Amino acid sequence: QSALTQAASVSGSPGQSITISCTGTSRDVGGYNFVSWYQQHPGKAPKLLIFEVNSRPSGVSTRFSGSKSGNTASLTISGLQAEDEADYYCCSYTSSSTQVFGGGTKLTVL
Amino acid sequence: EVQLVQSGAEVKKAGESLKISCKGSGYSFTNYWIGWVRQMPGKGLEWMGIIYPDDSDMRYSPSFQGQVTISADKSTSTAYLQWSSLKASDTAMYYCARHRAIFGVVMDSFDMWGQGTMVTVSS
Repeated sequence: QSALTQAASVSGSPGQSITISCTGTSRDVGGYNFVSWYQQHPGKAPKLLIFEVNSRPSGVSTRFSGSKSGNTASLTISGLQAEDEADYYCCSYTSSSTQVFGGGTKLTVL
Repeated sequence: EVQLVQSGAEVKKAGESLKISCKGSGYSFTNYWIGWVRQMPGKGLEWMGIIYPDDSDMRYSPSFQGQVTISADKSTSTAYLQWSSLKASDTAMYYCARHRAIFGVVMDSFDMWGQGTMVTVSS
């Protein structure tokens, strides 16, 4: 199974909003509402930001939101802060009863 | 405290075997799916596979099926990732991670992660 497609990098200024997209197929993103998003700072373990397309775990800022349309899922970060600079990964359940990550997007806060 | 604690860094030679561990504590180990994720140096996350410790039901990514073995020991609340013959391309950080919900489903997300185990394989 191929990795989901994410842009390699995205940038934004403090206070702005940015959106990271994650494109798959009808056998993964498009076929199930089981898309999650993870944030990873350098040298650290990933952290769950969004599960089941648009749900936030307890303790995750409301500045993070998720959505899905067809085979593409999106993560939006509003009110960008310096601490949001990190790598972001989407992950989807697949028709093979496994999961697959996206290639990751590096967010730079200008 | 709910946590996953992984075994320490390993340096091995190609062709050697290896088993790394991930010990869960502070929660009902047998009733949460637990999985492994690879991150090669400077690269992204790769979903390897998961196991449900209570009945050892498991799923492997096609990319890792036959390359590694995932197991779990209920008596010690420990999950394992094992190689029978390492390759240089197995050099990576390996994370274990637990699914979000108790008695959950295979499609759930990882909400708790271990600190990672760095495996370095020389040729």
